[in-house]
Amino acid sequence: DIQMTQSPSSLSAFVGDRVTITCRASQSIIRDLNWYQQKPGKAPKLLIYGASTLQSGVPSRFSGSGSGTYFTLTISSLQPDDFANYYCQHSFNIPFTFGPGTQVEIK
Amino acid sequence: QVQLVQSGAEVKKPGASVKVSCKTSGYTFTDYYIHWVRQAPGQGLEWMGWISPKSGDTDYASKFQGRVTMTRDTSMSTGYIEVNRLISDDTAVYFCARASRWELVGDFWGQGTLVTVSS
Repeated sequence: DIQMTQSPSSLSAFVGDRVTITCRASQSIIRDLNWYQQKPGKAPKLLIYGASTLQSGVPSRFSGSGSGTYFTLTISSLQPDDFANYYCQHSFNIPFTFGPGTQVEIK
Repeated sequence: QVQLVQSGAEVKKPGASVKVSCKTSGYTFTDYYIHWVRQAPGQGLEWMGWISPKSGDTDYASKFQGRVTMTRDTSMSTGYIEVNRLISDDTAVYFCARASRWELVGDFWGQGTLVTVSS
Protein backbone atom coordinates (compact mmCIF):
# COMPACT_ATOMS: atom_id res chain seq x y z
CA ASP A 1 0.00 0.00 0.00
CA ILE A 2 1.12 3.55 -0.72
CA GLN A 3 1.70 5.53 2.46
CA MET A 4 0.85 9.23 2.52
CA THR A 5 2.42 11.69 4.95
CA GLN A 6 1.61 15.34 5.54
CA SER A 7 3.38 18.23 7.20
CA PRO A 8 2.83 20.07 9.33
CA SER A 9 0.26 18.18 11.38
CA SER A 10 -1.15 21.52 12.48
CA LEU A 11 -0.52 25.19 11.92
CA SER A 12 -1.81 28.53 13.11
CA ALA A 13 -1.77 31.57 10.86
CA PHE A 14 -3.27 35.04 10.48
CA VAL A 15 -6.02 35.96 8.07
CA GLY A 16 -4.29 37.03 4.88
CA ASP A 17 -1.25 34.80 5.37
CA ARG A 18 0.04 32.49 2.68
CA VAL A 19 -0.13 28.88 3.90
CA THR A 20 1.48 25.80 2.37
CA ILE A 21 0.81 22.17 3.31
CA THR A 22 3.08 19.40 2.09
CA CYS A 23 2.10 15.84 1.17
CA ARG A 24 4.50 13.03 0.34
CA ALA A 25 3.80 9.59 -1.12
CA SER A 26 5.87 6.50 -0.36
CA GLN A 27 6.25 5.83 -4.11
CA SER A 28 5.57 7.75 -7.28
CA ILE A 29 1.90 8.45 -7.88
CA ILE A 30 2.60 10.59 -10.94
CA ARG A 31 -0.04 13.31 -10.48
CA ASP A 32 -2.84 11.18 -9.02
CA LEU A 33 -3.18 13.34 -5.92
CA ASN A 34 -6.28 15.01 -4.52
CA TRP A 35 -6.83 17.50 -1.70
CA TYR A 36 -9.88 17.71 0.53
CA GLN A 37 -11.04 20.17 3.16
CA GLN A 38 -13.05 18.82 6.09
CA LYS A 39 -14.78 20.87 8.77
CA PRO A 40 -15.89 19.33 12.09
CA GLY A 41 -18.95 17.13 11.72
CA LYS A 42 -19.00 17.50 7.94
CA ALA A 43 -18.06 15.41 4.94
CA PRO A 44 -14.81 16.07 3.09
CA LYS A 45 -14.98 18.62 0.28
CA LEU A 46 -12.88 18.16 -2.85
CA LEU A 47 -10.60 21.15 -3.45
CA ILE A 48 -7.97 19.98 -5.94
CA TYR A 49 -7.69 16.87 -8.12
CA GLY A 50 -4.96 15.65 -10.41
CA ALA A 51 -2.44 17.50 -8.24
CA SER A 52 -3.30 20.95 -9.59
CA THR A 53 -6.82 21.15 -11.07
CA LEU A 54 -9.18 23.32 -9.05
CA GLN A 55 -12.55 21.70 -8.44
CA SER A 56 -15.49 23.72 -9.73
CA GLY A 57 -16.70 26.30 -7.22
CA VAL A 58 -13.54 26.27 -5.11
CA PRO A 59 -12.02 29.72 -4.53
CA SER A 60 -8.95 30.52 -6.59
CA ARG A 61 -6.89 31.21 -3.45
CA PHE A 62 -6.44 27.44 -3.28
CA SER A 63 -3.81 25.91 -5.55
CA GLY A 64 -1.97 22.62 -5.81
CA SER A 65 1.31 21.55 -7.34
CA GLY A 66 3.73 18.66 -7.48
CA SER A 67 4.30 15.31 -9.10
CA GLY A 68 5.88 11.98 -8.34
CA THR A 69 6.12 11.80 -4.56
CA TYR A 70 6.01 15.45 -3.47
CA PHE A 71 2.94 17.68 -3.52
CA THR A 72 1.83 20.95 -1.99
CA LEU A 73 -1.45 22.70 -1.28
CA THR A 74 -1.21 26.48 -1.00
CA ILE A 75 -3.78 28.93 0.30
CA SER A 76 -2.62 32.28 -1.05
CA SER A 77 -4.52 34.48 1.41
CA LEU A 78 -6.01 32.64 4.38
CA GLN A 79 -9.64 33.46 5.13
CA PRO A 80 -11.65 32.77 8.33
CA ASP A 81 -13.70 30.17 6.44
CA ASP A 82 -10.51 28.17 5.79
CA PHE A 83 -10.32 26.92 9.40
CA ALA A 84 -10.50 23.15 8.80
CA ASN A 85 -8.60 19.93 8.41
CA TYR A 86 -6.92 19.28 5.08
CA TYR A 87 -6.23 15.81 3.72
CA CYS A 88 -4.30 14.63 0.71
CA GLN A 89 -5.36 11.37 -0.94
CA HIS A 90 -3.83 9.40 -3.79
CA SER A 91 -5.92 7.84 -6.56
CA PHE A 92 -3.06 5.93 -8.20
CA ASN A 93 -4.04 2.38 -7.25
CA ILE A 94 -6.07 0.41 -4.75
CA PRO A 95 -6.21 0.93 -1.83
CA PHE A 96 -6.66 4.67 -2.06
CA THR A 97 -5.07 6.10 1.05
CA PHE A 98 -5.27 9.46 2.76
CA GLY A 99 -2.67 11.47 4.55
CA PRO A 100 -3.13 11.93 8.31
CA GLY A 101 -4.37 15.48 7.87
CA THR A 102 -3.26 19.02 8.65
CA GLN A 103 -5.31 21.12 11.05
CA VAL A 104 -5.34 24.81 10.10
CA GLU A 105 -6.21 27.25 12.84
CA ILE A 106 -6.76 30.97 12.48
CA LYS A 107 -4.74 33.19 14.84
CA GLN B 1 -28.62 19.56 -7.68
CA VAL B 2 -26.51 16.55 -6.87
CA GLN B 3 -27.30 15.06 -3.45
CA LEU B 4 -26.23 11.95 -1.58
CA VAL B 5 -28.36 11.39 1.50
CA GLN B 6 -27.40 8.66 3.93
CA SER B 7 -29.45 6.73 6.45
CA GLY B 8 -29.44 7.57 10.13
CA ALA B 9 -27.15 6.67 12.99
CA GLU B 10 -26.98 3.07 14.18
CA VAL B 11 -25.99 1.41 17.44
CA LYS B 12 -24.99 -2.24 17.18
CA LYS B 13 -23.58 -4.91 19.45
CA PRO B 14 -20.29 -6.65 18.68
CA GLY B 15 -20.79 -9.49 16.23
CA ALA B 16 -23.87 -7.92 14.64
CA SER B 17 -24.21 -6.49 11.12
CA VAL B 18 -25.12 -3.02 9.91
CA LYS B 19 -26.37 -1.81 6.54
CA VAL B 20 -26.06 1.86 5.59
CA SER B 21 -27.80 3.39 2.59
CA CYS B 22 -26.80 6.27 0.32
CA LYS B 23 -29.70 7.66 -1.71
CA THR B 24 -28.63 9.77 -4.66
CA SER B 25 -30.43 12.37 -6.73
CA GLY B 26 -29.70 15.10 -9.25
CA TYR B 27 -27.68 12.96 -11.66
CA THR B 28 -27.80 9.67 -13.55
CA PHE B 29 -27.06 7.08 -10.87
CA THR B 30 -25.42 4.60 -13.23
CA ASP B 31 -22.96 7.14 -14.64
CA TYR B 32 -20.88 7.42 -11.46
CA TYR B 33 -19.17 5.03 -9.06
CA ILE B 34 -20.03 5.03 -5.36
CA HIS B 35 -17.11 4.82 -2.94
CA TRP B 36 -17.33 4.25 0.79
CA VAL B 37 -14.93 5.92 3.22
CA ARG B 38 -15.00 5.76 7.01
CA GLN B 39 -13.62 7.92 9.79
CA ALA B 40 -13.19 6.71 13.36
CA PRO B 41 -13.79 9.32 16.08
CA GLY B 42 -11.02 11.92 15.99
CA GLN B 43 -9.14 9.97 13.34
CA GLY B 44 -8.36 10.22 9.64
CA LEU B 45 -10.12 8.93 6.55
CA GLU B 46 -10.03 5.30 5.43
CA TRP B 47 -11.16 4.10 1.99
CA MET B 48 -13.20 0.89 2.06
CA GLY B 49 -14.16 0.14 -1.54
CA TRP B 50 -16.26 1.03 -4.55
CA ILE B 51 -19.25 -0.22 -6.48
CA SER B 52 -20.17 0.45 -10.09
CA PRO B 53 -23.90 1.14 -10.10
CA LYS B 54 -24.00 0.29 -13.81
CA SER B 55 -22.53 -3.22 -13.61
CA GLY B 56 -22.68 -4.02 -9.91
CA ASP B 57 -18.93 -4.71 -9.95
CA THR B 58 -17.15 -4.04 -6.69
CA ASP B 59 -13.62 -3.76 -5.38
CA TYR B 60 -12.75 -3.67 -1.70
CA ALA B 61 -9.69 -2.76 0.31
CA SER B 62 -8.08 -6.04 1.34
CA LYS B 63 -8.63 -5.14 4.99
CA PHE B 64 -12.40 -5.41 4.45
CA GLN B 65 -12.55 -8.37 2.05
CA GLY B 66 -15.00 -10.96 3.31
CA ARG B 67 -16.58 -8.68 5.89
CA VAL B 68 -17.99 -5.85 3.76
CA THR B 69 -20.53 -6.04 0.95
CA MET B 70 -21.48 -3.15 -1.31
CA THR B 71 -24.68 -3.34 -3.33
CA ARG B 72 -26.98 -1.02 -5.22
CA ASP B 73 -30.61 -0.67 -6.22
CA THR B 74 -30.74 1.15 -9.53
CA SER B 75 -34.53 1.59 -9.31
CA MET B 76 -34.00 3.59 -6.11
CA SER B 77 -30.70 5.26 -7.18
CA THR B 78 -29.32 4.03 -3.88
CA GLY B 79 -26.09 2.39 -2.83
CA TYR B 80 -25.59 0.28 0.27
CA ILE B 81 -22.74 -0.93 2.41
CA GLU B 82 -23.13 -3.82 4.82
CA VAL B 83 -20.49 -4.54 7.43
CA ASN B 84 -20.63 -7.91 9.18
CA ARG B 85 -19.12 -9.25 12.38
CA LEU B 86 -18.83 -5.78 13.85
CA ILE B 87 -16.14 -5.02 16.40
CA SER B 88 -15.57 -1.90 18.51
CA ASP B 89 -12.95 -0.66 16.02
CA ASP B 90 -15.73 -0.38 13.43
CA THR B 91 -17.19 2.54 15.38
CA ALA B 92 -16.92 5.35 12.86
CA VAL B 93 -18.73 7.75 10.58
CA TYR B 94 -19.30 6.06 7.24
CA PHE B 95 -19.40 8.29 4.15
CA CYS B 96 -20.47 7.54 0.60
CA ALA B 97 -18.89 9.56 -2.19
CA ARG B 98 -19.54 9.88 -5.90
CA ALA B 99 -16.72 9.53 -8.41
CA SER B 100 -16.74 9.53 -12.20
CA ARG B 101 -14.26 6.64 -12.38
CA TRP B 102 -13.13 3.72 -10.25
CA GLU B 103 -10.40 5.96 -8.86
CA LEU B 104 -11.52 7.88 -5.80
CA VAL B 105 -11.92 11.52 -6.75
CA GLY B 106 -14.98 12.24 -4.66
CA ASP B 107 -16.74 15.32 -6.00
CA PHE B 108 -19.92 14.88 -3.95
CA TRP B 109 -20.27 13.20 -0.58
CA GLY B 110 -23.05 12.03 1.68
CA GLN B 111 -23.44 13.64 5.08
CA GLY B 112 -22.10 10.61 6.90
CA THR B 113 -23.66 7.92 9.10
CA LEU B 114 -22.38 7.27 12.60
CA VAL B 115 -22.18 3.58 13.44
CA THR B 116 -21.47 2.84 17.09
CA VAL B 117 -20.47 -0.67 18.12
CA SER B 118 -20.89 -1.20 21.83
CA SER B 119 -21.94 -3.99 24.14
